[in-house]
Amino acid sequence: QSVLTQPPSVSAAPGQMVTITCSGSSSNIGNNYVSWYRHVPGTAPTLLIYENSKRPSGIPDRFSGSKSGTSATLGITGLQTGDEADYYCGTWDNSLSAGGFWVFGGGTKLTVL
Amino acid sequence: QVQLQESGPGLVKPSETLSLTCSVSGGSIRSYDWSWFRQPPGKGLEWIGHTYGGGSTKFNPSLKSRVTISLDTSKNQFSLRLSSVTAADTAVYFCAGGGGRDFDYWGQGTLVTVSS
Repeated sequence: QSVLTQPPSVSAAPGQMVTITCSGSSSNIGNNYVSWYRHVPGTAPTLLIYENSKRPSGIPDRFSGSKSGTSATLGITGLQTGDEADYYCGTWDNSLSAGGFWVFGGGTKLTVL
Repeated sequence: QVQLQESGPGLVKPSETLSLTCSVSGGSIRSYDWSWFRQPPGKGLEWIGHTYGGGSTKFNPSLKSRVTISLDTSKNQFSLRLSSVTAADTAVYFCAGGGGRDFDYWGQGTLVTVSS
């Protein structure tokens, strides 16, 4: 059971927009930056968004991130078939008993119909 | 461009120790912090543990008692050891790294199966 909650799957048609949500708690998303990763099975995962909404060099502005309270959202506009992948949110968890550690969502499979 | 490559046995017997190495090219291992992740079949990513450039470590509380992560600066590699493995440890294992709490660099992953 993942600490962060994501929908197992989302789908949309080419050219459309999709959002993927990530829910957590005050010990993780509520007080830390959120990152998003894209993973095509069999390949290396890729950092898409860091510090809630920033894009690394080379990531197109079709990808956006936001955070509100204990939830974060990844948005993808102008969907392309090449966007089909698993998307993961991740953040730091400040749980005192564990001294802090990274937590991730269970992943959301994006299908571009 | 920093590139990572995992290596190690693809099959480990139950109760034995899983050992993997991540070779880093295109950058110094001292310049970044490094983590290991895994993805069991049909499941999401799980963070295993982390080593900072200076050598200190941090582990997933659920795996802490069985995990060792170490740096070999002479070879520009870092390694993972997971002891007393069971079938539940069967997964694709990834190494990853970056400069803060984000992971900019990832390996492609290596499948490790625990079976007798």
